Amino acid sequence: GAGVSQSPSNKVTEKGKDVELRCDPISGHTALYWYRQSLGQGLEFLIYFQGNSAPDKSGLPSDRFSAERTGGSVSTLTIQRTQQEDSAVYLCASSPRGVANTEAFFGQGTRLTVV
Amino acid sequence: AQTVTQSQPEMSVQEAETVTLSCTYDTSESDYYLFWYKQPPSRQMILVIRQEAYKQQNATENRFSVNFQKAAKSFSLKISDSQLGDAAMYFCAYRNYGGSQGNLIFGKGTKLSVKP
Repeated sequence: GAGVSQSPSNKVTEKGKDVELRCDPISGHTALYWYRQSLGQGLEFLIYFQGNSAPDKSGLPSDRFSAERTGGSVSTLTIQRTQQEDSAVYLCASSPRGVANTEAFFGQGTRLTVV
Repeated sequence: AQTVTQSQPEMSVQEAETVTLSCTYDTSESDYYLFWYKQPPSRQMILVIRQEAYKQQNATENRFSVNFQKAAKSFSLKISDSQLGDAAMYFCAYRNYGGSQGNLIFGKGTKLSVKP
């Protein structure tokens, strides 16, 4: 597609279960970002991938969170042993390499609810 | 580390009037980029306007303009002739200059309501 695609759109899971959230960036975009947005809050940075460089994982809140990016394209954010405080909207964005003033293009997010 | 602060959690404006949303940031860098994003209830983040720090001229996009004060580290957004469709969350964001681009850092947002 033409834009950043995230799936699923909504996810309800039981506390303690693992979840995987998927992001398909815009074709050719080498930079990919994951953010978390709690209800009524701003965007909390989680992780940033840029090409083949080591990802910036400085925003991951705990070792229950991990992310990978296969083939420089699709990314998966995994949350293990989910907790109620993990409930939030998880946003993915991508941008081209080498043009630092270029906007980041966002997907519509995955709303995660942990019950 | 860079930080972005939006001191107005909520703002309200009458349709057709003008409103200004505030944003301040903290950085030791001299080259960087600033952005305003809009997030309507659909959750889709949309770029409203961008500003390169090395440019003194304030960016303008139709009804949207910024007041960029580099020395004061201030980057406010002015919306003229407000429309009902402008109602949304507005986020100010910062990114370092450089080939690696770096992380986009966001403020906590300002919820804008537009009254008919």
